[in-house]
Parts: sequence; C-alpha cells; structure tokens
Amino acid sequence: QQQVRQSPQSLTVWEGETAILNCSYEDSTFDYFPWYWQFPRESPALLIAIRPVSNKKEDGRFTIFFNKREKKLSLHITDSQPGDSATYFCAAQTSGGNYKPTFGKGTSLVVHP
Amino acid sequence: EAAVTQSPRNKVAVTGGKVTLSCNQTNNHNNMYWYRQDTGHGLRLIHYSYGAGSTEKGDIPDGYKASRPSQENFSLILELATPSQTSVYFCASGDAGGRAETLYFGSGTRLTVL
Repeated sequence: QQQVRQSPQSLTVWEGETAILNCSYEDSTFDYFPWYWQFPRESPALLIAIRPVSNKKEDGRFTIFFNKREKKLSLHITDSQPGDSATYFCAAQTSGGNYKPTFGKGTSLVVHP
Repeated sequence: EAAVTQSPRNKVAVTGGKVTLSCNQTNNHNNMYWYRQDTGHGLRLIHYSYGAGSTEKGDIPDGYKASRPSQENFSLILELATPSQTSVYFCASGDAGGRAETLYFGSGTRLTVL
C-alpha cells in the first residue's frame, strides 16, 4: 500500500512559469513533511519542509501549501529556472520515536529556457 | 555539514555471490537507513537502525540483511545476490533533533548483478 503519492510523474514548464507538484498521504499520524530534490547523478537533499501546525511554508521561490483535512500538500516553484530541473520527492514522517520516513515515487521536473 | 560516505561507488557482482555495501557517518546521528532507487519506484526503504546494535526491517527487506556494529557504520548485506537487486543504493543518516528529522544521504552505490 502506497502511503505517499505524488503527481504528476513528470512535469515540463518554461522558464519563468510556476511549477506545481502534488503530494497526498493516507496515514493521519504523519506530522512532518519534508521535500527532497535530487539532481541527475547526485543524491537527494532536503529542500523545504512543513509541519501541519501551519498550512503554508515559504522559502524564496519555493512554497508548500498544506491541506490537513484533505491530506494533501503541494510544492509551488515560482519563476522556475532551468537549474530547478530535478526530481522532487515528497516524504512523510511521524515524530515521537519512530521517525522512519516514507517517500513518494517522485516528480521529474524539467524547466526549459 | 553532515557527512555520509558509501563504499564502493560501483560494484559488479555475480548471481549467487555475496555483496556487502558499507556506509559511514561522522555526525553522531542515531538513525541510519538503506534505500534503493529504481526508475518508477522512487526511494524504497530496505533496512534502518536506531543505534548501534539495532536493525529494523523496512518496506522491502527480503533478500537483504543489515548490520550496525557502531554508531558510525551501517552495512547492507546481500547473501545471495540476484539480478533483481541491480539498483542504486543510498545510505542516509538522520538528525532527529527537535522532533523533525532531516536525512543526509551518501553519494550512492551502483550495484549491477550479472
């Protein structure tokens, strides 16, 4: 059973556009949602993260919107740049002992100049 | 900065052979993880550990064993390698400070089983 789902599987946008990456989850005990990005031939690295106590987290051009009732979140990348081309993973965790993170399958983003 | 080192970077093994993938972290993190990454599957958790001497099964543990002999080292062992285990393997350590865990990944090991 897939606990964390991401869509779309791949996304192509033009430079300057806003890219929207979606994520949903099933386990209501999840209370921490990090997004990782992975560039070709590199390892994943933390990009931005959110807790359900807030419904929005912003870091420069990257913003997470969170809807606890619907168990959905999305990552918005405004003014997309070719350097943002990467695979983006949504992850979910339950804090308080068992930190085991669960990853979605990822969204491959390509930003054309 | 967190440092997680994996070895080897690349490995070619024969079917039925034994393979050991090693991971070392220098940040005194309690939690360590082994993931495999395959196209279309994202990152799938194989085994993880909460500290020296402990290992836990992840979501796809079949065919793999793990060993955590010390805080710094976490190994993944394939006793009888099969072609289906051809993949890229990532080790990660977790900093669980403040109830939110950031994972720091190693550079990966590309394993090919012939």
